[in-house]
Amino acid sequence: DQQVKQNSPSLSVQEGRISILNCDYTNSMFDYFLWYKKYPAEGPTFLISISSIKDKNEDGRFTVFLNKSAKHLSLHIVPSQPGDSAVYFCAASALAGGTSYGKLTFGQGTILTVHP
Amino acid sequence: SAVISQKPSRDICQRGTSLTIQCQVDSQVTMMFWYRQQPGQSLTLIATANQGSEATYESGFVIDKFPISRPNLTFSTLTVSNMSPEDSSIYLCSVEANRVWTEAFFGQGTRLTVV
Repeated sequence: DQQVKQNSPSLSVQEGRISILNCDYTNSMFDYFLWYKKYPAEGPTFLISISSIKDKNEDGRFTVFLNKSAKHLSLHIVPSQPGDSAVYFCAASALAGGTSYGKLTFGQGTILTVHP
Repeated sequence: SAVISQKPSRDICQRGTSLTIQCQVDSQVTMMFWYRQQPGQSLTLIATANQGSEATYESGFVIDKFPISRPNLTFSTLTVSNMSPEDSSIYLCSVEANRVWTEAFFGQGTRLTVV
């Protein structure tokens, strides 16, 4: 039972354009969502997060949107840069019950390639 | 943020043997976590390790196969026991510190190949 799904295994974007990565979840207990970036031979690096009480969070070129009714979130990267090429993981946690921030359910990941 | 070091970074092991992976953090943390990423798959939580108590394992993972130690607030080990080729994965340590940070930090991972 895949509770967090990233249905696009890969995405290719031109430098300077917008990258949109999507994520769906099924567990209504999830109330905190994160995006991580992962380069080969490195651990995941935290990018941005959003609580379920919000529908948008921005940090520089990165914006995460949350649609609770649709159980869908997306990560927008504007403008995209070649250095953004990596695997992006969506993750979710159920904090309201006292779960740790570190106990995460991950999606399968989306490989983003930004072409110069 | 926390700096997390894992050893070894990679290893090739014979089936039937065991490998112990070390995770060292540069600051004291309450909770440490062990994840596994099988080839082409997402990261899956194996267990949560608190200092001074038994690790808590997720469904599908058992202590006999993945014994964990947490002797202090900066260190943990995960052992992959009686390995088979299906254990070939990247194993990752992560930490969360008393909810001071609102995200978990990860080590660089240990790439294990079982032949």
